[in-house]
Amino acid sequence: DTGVSQNPRHKITKRGQNVTFRCDPISEHNRLYWYRQTLGQGPEFLTYFQNEAQLEKSRLLSDRFSAERPKGSFSTLEIQRTEQGDSAMYLCASSPSPISGNTIYFGEGSWLTVV
Amino acid sequence: TQLLEQSPQFLSIQEGENLTVYCNSSSVFSSLQWYRQEPGEGPVLLVTVVTGGEVKKLKRLTFQFGDARKDSSLHITAAQPGDTGLYLCAGAGGETSGSRLTFGEGTQLTVNP
Repeated sequence: DTGVSQNPRHKITKRGQNVTFRCDPISEHNRLYWYRQTLGQGPEFLTYFQNEAQLEKSRLLSDRFSAERPKGSFSTLEIQRTEQGDSAMYLCASSPSPISGNTIYFGEGSWLTVV
Repeated sequence: TQLLEQSPQFLSIQEGENLTVYCNSSSVFSSLQWYRQEPGEGPVLLVTVVTGGEVKKLKRLTFQFGDARKDSSLHITAAQPGDTGLYLCAGAGGETSGSRLTFGEGTQLTVNP
């Protein structure tokens, strides 16, 4: 399978714990995006990388959230001191070039439930 | 600020009926993409439209990009239960969206057999 891969697919954690999600983009895609989606809403942009550089971060990405893409390949999204409001699906996507006019491919998402 | 508005938000129809979903914005986008999403899964790209006035057909689905590149529509002919899902429009390269995709809130379509 050469699509965008995310893991874990599901995570249940207690409030206050830290969680980390991993995303493996389609190989040779230099752009990688993280989005968050809650029930009944469209995905909301969190951040994106071009290669290893994090070029843009949304105001939604509080200081408890950190994303990395150390070698320009896979990426991790860490949430520290989780809160119930963090419960959502976290989507990763990749594209080969600036997305205007080009295709962006999403992974299957990582569901987070904070109890 | 929600830049893309989709309507209707919910749509429940019988198999065989036709339907249209609308995506409107006050912003101009370089391209607009339509996705379909099933519960617990990521969005799956259906089509990308780039040129103002462009019409694309994908079997029973017809997509149109407005002349001013501010709006789009998705028309489904003879809907089937397998068309059930959340339909999302997303704009790229907009005035404020820059390098990100900006999504609408989606239209939840249910096609009853």
